[in-house]
Amino acid sequence: EEQLLESGGDLVTPGGSLRLSCTGSGVNFRDSWMSWVRQAPGKGLEWVARIKSKNSGGTKEYGAPVEGRFTISRDDAKNMLFLQMDSLKTEDTAVYYCTRDHFTWGQGTRVTVSS
Amino acid sequence: IVMTQTPLSSPVTLGQPASISCRSSQSLVHSGGNTFLSWLQQRPGQPPRLLIYQVSNRFSGVPDRFSGSGAGTDFTLKISRVEAEDVGVYYCMQATQFPYTFGQGTNLEIK
Repeated sequence: EEQLLESGGDLVTPGGSLRLSCTGSGVNFRDSWMSWVRQAPGKGLEWVARIKSKNSGGTKEYGAPVEGRFTISRDDAKNMLFLQMDSLKTEDTAVYYCTRDHFTWGQGTRVTVSS
Repeated sequence: IVMTQTPLSSPVTLGQPASISCRSSQSLVHSGGNTFLSWLQQRPGQPPRLLIYQVSNRFSGVPDRFSGSGAGTDFTLKISRVEAEDVGVYYCMQATQFPYTFGQGTNLEIK
């Protein structure tokens, strides 16, 4: 069974940084395009960032609200996906989901940005 | 690409059908010929779950009472007979062009 497990969510002050991790099991991680999607409290879903498989060029792409502040990366040897979040804003408060090309989803990790 | 769902709320009687529409601001036909329109379900307190991909393909484990149809810019999710476990929010999503975008969500509730 495919599973994704996120970690790293926390309470952080505006302007701070946080690094989220996602570990995959039962997943063909190496050949998968991986993404982060977030959901602000009581709101809908928003795509944050995507990284293609190395076979597809490893391209990284970001949603406009996080471009230049967030960095997505992967470690295929460890079946792990990361999201480095810098210059955090209150509007980044959300549950962050790791997803394998929107087919498989993790349970999410909560990020709260507040002073 | 802007995704617009209707209705935003859908009260349904158990055992009755339900239908949700989704319209995209431009065609979702990819240059390779496929149409990357998906439907996801989010039950209360749960992460999203893929139901339908590429317009009409049911994902693994999804009951056959769920079906998807449509083409170009207009798409529909149908539930043939609503069960209590179907309560939640349903999202359409386009993966034809990055950034992928979602509809606002349709809240399916039991009358």
